[in-house]
Amino acid sequence: GAGVSQTPSNKVTEKGKYVELRCDPISGHTALYWYRQSLGQGPEFLIYFQGTGAADDSGLPNDRFFAVRPEGSVSTLKIQRTERGDSAVYLCASSWLPLGGAVMSSYNEQFFGPGTRLTVL
Amino acid sequence: KQEVTQIPAALSVPEGENLVLNCSFTDSAIYNLQWFRQDPGKGLTSLLLIQSSQREQTSGRLNASLDKSSGRSTLYIAASQPGDSATYLCAVGPSGQNFVFGPGTRLSVLP
Repeated sequence: GAGVSQTPSNKVTEKGKYVELRCDPISGHTALYWYRQSLGQGPEFLIYFQGTGAADDSGLPNDRFFAVRPEGSVSTLKIQRTERGDSAVYLCASSWLPLGGAVMSSYNEQFFGPGTRLTVL
Repeated sequence: KQEVTQIPAALSVPEGENLVLNCSFTDSAIYNLQWFRQDPGKGLTSLLLIQSSQREQTSGRLNASLDKSSGRSTLYIAASQPGDSATYLCAVGPSGQNFVFGPGTRLSVLP
């Protein structure tokens, strides 16, 4: 596709439920990132994939959060036993990084999707 | 731990004014810095990306500068227009690939 897409655009759920948020990155982009943005704040890093593997999951707040990218393209962020504090906009971004290249690359322009607004009642 | 701040938090200017948005970061060992625009209820639109080896980048009426040694970046918007009204976010890329974002500056350009 032309850009990063995320589904659903809005998700309302009840406390304790399980939710899945989907991200479809720009075709050919090897790296995929999940961020969470609360009202009035900048996005907060959650997890980053290079290919199929999670290269850095240090931003995941606890073990209720999990993300996968089984084929190195689409990614799903999974939240178990949702809490009201999980309510936020979840943003996905992708970028092109050479697979097997230097981990720390100075070139990393990230392109963001429109986000999924999650509301936990 | 990298911390990013942005000043001012909000700014309201009349149409046609030139303006400067500021971004400061605590760890100067960055790899790049990216400026984004975010419209209400929308995702982020990339404006400019500055590599650590660069001093500035320009795109149309926008100019972003980077001073790594002082931990600062500025976004200069020339001849502001009502369509420029949005939240402007800066993000720095430290070691690793994830960005650390500032809280943003909410800009209103009045016609």
